[in-house]
Order: sequence, then structure tokens, then C-alpha cells
Amino acid sequence: AQSVTQLDSQVPVFEEAPVELRCNYSSSVSVYLFWYVQYPNQGLQLLLKYLSGSTLVKGINGFEAEFNKSQTSFHLRKPSVHISDTAEYFCAVSESGATNKLIFGTGTLLAVQP
Amino acid sequence: DAMVIQNPRYQVTQFGKPVTLSCSQTLNHNVMYWYQQKSSQAPKLLFHYYDKDFNNEADTPDNFQSRRPNTSFCFLDIRSPGLGDAAMYLCATSSGAGGSREQYFGPGTRLTVT
Repeated sequence: AQSVTQLDSQVPVFEEAPVELRCNYSSSVSVYLFWYVQYPNQGLQLLLKYLSGSTLVKGINGFEAEFNKSQTSFHLRKPSVHISDTAEYFCAVSESGATNKLIFGTGTLLAVQP
Repeated sequence: DAMVIQNPRYQVTQFGKPVTLSCSQTLNHNVMYWYQQKSSQAPKLLFHYYDKDFNNEADTPDNFQSRRPNTSFCFLDIRSPGLGDAAMYLCATSSGAGGSREQYFGPGTRLTVT
């Protein structure tokens, strides 16, 4: 069975500082990996995804993530955060193949302070 | 703009009183999902439709039902809501099967049970 671990429930950071949100997964088969962002009282929006190919994936709003198969990680990074980046960030995994099921991590609240 | 719409955004119901949440989409996607997201937790898949085929998650309580009368609409019925069913309910859609498919989320309906 697949699982996703986001060890940091909350990450406080000052504006314009770099940030890394950690995500580790476990699966016995090949997977696809996603990062979604959720602003207060809103649905989830896709930031970026890894399907195959280059392990460095660039997404919207200046975010990027790197897939590391040996470490089973998919950490999200941004070199300089803004107040508007304050939100909940969810890492998710799905199996390659016919399934549509996304397994989400428990989320990381990115709190950007001025 | 093509989108996923959920109504109402906020719903209050009484303990044991049936309630229906609705979702519509203009994306013409053939897969529709319902997730339950409790406070500070990850979204949890309840069930999904692939076209008219209903796929229930093994741990989804019988209290939760769903209907999809056509491609555009999907409903979540909670037959006898309990206090533990208070949550954000998220509808999502995707085009086709396969774990690589991006899911598009609506803004959610926050359900309060009194």
C-alpha cells in the first residue's frame, strides 16, 4: 500500500527567505507524485507533478520539486517566498496504471511572516 | 472559464437529517471524485465515478451515497449525518483513467452538523 509522509506540520519562514517542504512516500510500484496548494476555505490547486523524465520539476508560482527515487522523496522548494504563499501544501502520490486514486499526506502549513 | 462548482459553500444540517451536496463541472471530464477533509487532515477519497461506473472506497461508511445523473453533475448524499461527519467535502474531476491524470478541485462545501 502507498503512503505519504509530510513530517513538518507547520513551517514558519520570513518573507523573501527560501523554503523547503519535505515529502517522503512509500510504494511497491512506480508512482506519480504531486504537490497541491490549498488556500483558506478553498479547494486544492495543482502546483506541479512528476510523471517521468527529468527529476527536477518546475511548477506555478515559482515552486519546484525534485524527485529522488533512492530516498523516496519529493521535496518542494521555493528560493524566495511571499506573504501570498501562506497556505496548506499537500504532497500526494498515485500509482502508475489504471487507478485514479490519490493518496495525500497530512499537509504542511507554510506560514510566511513579514 | 471551465471549472468545478460546488453548492452550497456552507451547509448546516441537524444530527440525523439527510443532506445532499452538489457538484457540477464544465470541463466535460468523465471522472468525478468526492473527498472528505476533516480539520487539519488530508483529503480522503470517499468514492469516484468513471463515467457511470461507481467505485466505492472500502472504508467509506454506508451512510454516504452518491449519484451521477449525467456527465456534468454529481451528488453526495449523507443519509443520517453524525457529528463526526462535519468536514469539508471536496469534489474533483479528471479526464480519463490513470494515476498521471491531474485532478481539478472545486472550492468545497463545509458541512456543519448540529
